[in-house]
Formats: sequence, structure tokens, C-alpha cells
Amino acid sequence: SAVISQKPSRDICQRGTSLTIQCQVDSQVTMMFWYRQQPGQSLTLIATANQGSEATYESGFVIDKFPISRPNLTFSTLTVSNMSPEDSSIYLCSVVRGAGEQYFGPGTRLTVT
Amino acid sequence: GDSVTQMEGPVTLSEEAFLTINCTYTATGYPSLFWYVQYPGEGLQLLLKATKADDKGSNKGFEATYRKETTSFHLEKGSVQVSDSAVYFCALDRSARQLTFGSGTQLTVLP
Repeated sequence: SAVISQKPSRDICQRGTSLTIQCQVDSQVTMMFWYRQQPGQSLTLIATANQGSEATYESGFVIDKFPISRPNLTFSTLTVSNMSPEDSSIYLCSVVRGAGEQYFGPGTRLTVT
Repeated sequence: GDSVTQMEGPVTLSEEAFLTINCTYTATGYPSLFWYVQYPGEGLQLLLKATKADDKGSNKGFEATYRKETTSFHLEKGSVQVSDSAVYFCALDRSARQLTFGSGTQLTVLP
């Protein structure tokens, strides 16, 4: 398995501001992913973050809105920029270990007012 | 594109009842299939997986069999407990390890 921590665990932010979410893994991993879980919904992949290259974004997500950093093999950040109430969600990072098993962090619960 | 269709919830059962949560998928190739569980207020935990046709994944009394002919991966448990109350997600592994999730099924087990 993998030990993954996220900061902050939750936050309440005002519209128009930005929030940076941190994801820390207990050992080096090649691929990290960021997902969004809107209230009562399933998970949607935002982007794949690889160390040493730009993140790859899924359809409907853009770098200006969700910039991602991946400075090393154990850490990544996701910024939610210029927030609106529609950005209220749980944001989760994940990593791949072992035989393609994906492990998730505890999530960051964001509320935008 | 790839997709996962999951049984609509919520599902409410009495303790010791039999559980089935249906999951079917559409995918090119032969994806790996997973069940994840999300307990209240927590993140997702991998429950079980299967990587090829006819594989059976099992964990904590839960089982699911990868059925290529019916493109299904139904989750079953013979006797549920109150502690099994959670949201269950079926998922498939697309290329580059990106997961596509079903909509999730809320399970409530009553004592």
C-alpha cells in the first residue's frame, strides 16, 4: 500500500481566491493523479502529474484553472484558481503502486462561498 | 470511450443479508477492474481487484468476478455487517493507469 497525506484536510474559501492543496507520499512514485469528487458524485480525473514534465489534463480541465506542480517523486500540489461555488468538492490525489493498484489520499474538502 | 455503469442506490439491507452491487463496463481492450470503498468522512480504499477474464478478486468477505462475456464485475458479500455501510465504487483502469469510476452505490446496513 502507500501512505498518502494531504493538506489542508478541509477549507472554506471566498470566491475569486485560490487554494493550493499539497499531496505527500511516503516513498517515490512515478505517477500521481488528481481527482475531483463533487458533492454526491463520483470521481473525475483532473490531471496526471509526472515529475519532470508538465501535467496532462483531462478534457474539461485547464492548466490556468488547476495548475499543478510536481517538484519531486514524493510531492505534488494542485491549485484551484479564481474559485467559484461550483469548485466546492473533495479533491483527492492518488498514486500507483504494485501491480497497477491505485491508492488515494484522504482528500481535501473545499467549500467556496 | 471507456465507461462504468453501476447499480443505482441507495441500497439498504439488514445485517447478515446477502449483498449484490451490479457493475458493467464498456472498454476497448482488457482493462483491470476494481472495487473501491469510501467510508463516511474518509478517502477511497481499494477493496479488491481483478486483472483478467475469470479472475476473482476477494477481500474482507467481498468477492467480484471479472466476466468478459457479460462485461460485468458485480460485487457480492454473503452476510453484510453494519460496519460495511459505505459508498462503493466500481472502476476500470484505462491506459496509463487512469481510473474511470462508476457513479457509486451508497450501502446502509441496519442492525
